[in-house]
Amino acid sequence: DAGITQSPRHKVTETGTPVTLRCHQTENHRYMYWYRQDPGHGLRLIHYSYGVKDTDKGEVSDGYSVSRSKTEDFLLTLESATSSQTSVYFCAIRTGQPGNTIYFGEGSWLTVV
Amino acid sequence: GQQVMQIPQYQHVQEGEDFTTYCNSSTTLSNIQWYKQRPGGHPVFLIQLVKSGEVKKQKRLTFQFGEAKKNSSLHITATQTTDVGTYFCAGPGATNKLIFGTGTLLAVQP
Repeated sequence: DAGITQSPRHKVTETGTPVTLRCHQTENHRYMYWYRQDPGHGLRLIHYSYGVKDTDKGEVSDGYSVSRSKTEDFLLTLESATSSQTSVYFCAIRTGQPGNTIYFGEGSWLTVV
Repeated sequence: GQQVMQIPQYQHVQEGEDFTTYCNSSTTLSNIQWYKQRPGGHPVFLIQLVKSGEVKKQKRLTFQFGEAKKNSSLHITATQTTDVGTYFCAGPGATNKLIFGTGTLLAVQP
């Protein structure tokens, strides 16, 4: 599993509350990603990071922010959760072997009610 | 922006039948990757293709990269119930991003 841990694995929260999902890796890989997965949309990139304090937006970044203060941790924050953000969130790392292959964490199931 | 589409979205087969999913990119790709996601699980890397026209096999799975490097296919011979899941293709986008296709959900009836 490439040493990736996501927390929490499951969360139910109310609309309007802030939520932070954590991704932790143990192998000091430079690139980390947050994807969301929804039926009919596949995997869509929210934000990614290419180093400590270096982040960039993906295709569905509105309503999300990220932070990476340490190599091993990449945090995804929903500042004010909405029902449209109910989804499965996957963290991923790029190991460079082979090529730009990425490896996923086990996912965080978020329900916004 | 860059798009990666897959067809079909869903396929139901009887165990022992063959299965093929197709992946098409709006842009030329330097490489293409395939992932499998079991129900309730996370996507797992299967293979990467790099060369134009490349064909790779993994047991009953055959992966092909098109000559123009804009399309790819995954063919499973004689499906088994263990093949159930969603198969994604993915290609590199701008600035170290990996763009995933919409996925094909395979159901196999025993």
